[in-house]
Amino acid sequence: QSALTQPASVSGSPGQSITISCTGTSSDVGGYNYVSWYQQHPDKAPKLVIYEVTNRPSGVPDRFSGSKSGDTASLTISGLQTEDEADYYCSSYSNSGMVFGGGTKLTVL
Amino acid sequence: QVQLQESGPGLVKSSQTLSLTCTVSGGSISSGGHFWSWIRQHPGKGLEWIGYIYYSGRTYYNPSLRSRLTISVDTSKNQFSLKLSSVTAADTAVYYCARAHGYGDYCFGFWGQGTLVTVSS
Repeated sequence: QSALTQPASVSGSPGQSITISCTGTSSDVGGYNYVSWYQQHPDKAPKLVIYEVTNRPSGVPDRFSGSKSGDTASLTISGLQTEDEADYYCSSYSNSGMVFGGGTKLTVL
Repeated sequence: QVQLQESGPGLVKSSQTLSLTCTVSGGSISSGGHFWSWIRQHPGKGLEWIGYIYYSGRTYYNPSLRSRLTISVDTSKNQFSLKLSSVTAADTAVYYCARAHGYGDYCFGFWGQGTLVTVSS
């Protein structure tokens, strides 16, 4: 069970858009529509921001959106705000349970 | 709104068993359809799925931890628990309990605040 691959860091300016990729295999991301994304601020528990590839939980701004193509899922945040600066993790259902990505640090410059 | 709270020793000696409990409030652990999960985060590192359980007792474990892991549920106390045996320093982490977002979901919609467990020699 290997971790999903995410870029270590991304950055953007307020108001801009950024995209974080999450690459897996046909045994996880590519095989199921159960990709989710989590936002984690320092010393806080993660917070679900996208589930089932494209769905937003109640209360999550529509600036957050998700997509998937083949074995790669993506999280896009548009209209960046300073409070979006955090670590972001993808997760997927897989043939051997759940698997997380290594995490991406988003810096809002 | 479902709330989860982890509890247990913050310090465990190497080779012993790490035991944590997650107490659920604001909803019944027996409501069915949701899984109840444990996830950990090594200091300064990413998230690692440990395993999950349904109220029926059916469990699913991370293959890398399966040989040392037991997750159980106590519906009478609205709690579920984690036991990890033969711990080493590599098991030092913040341990979170979490619940699936909704029925049949495979994602973690509700989280506890996390508890740091340090394994000492």
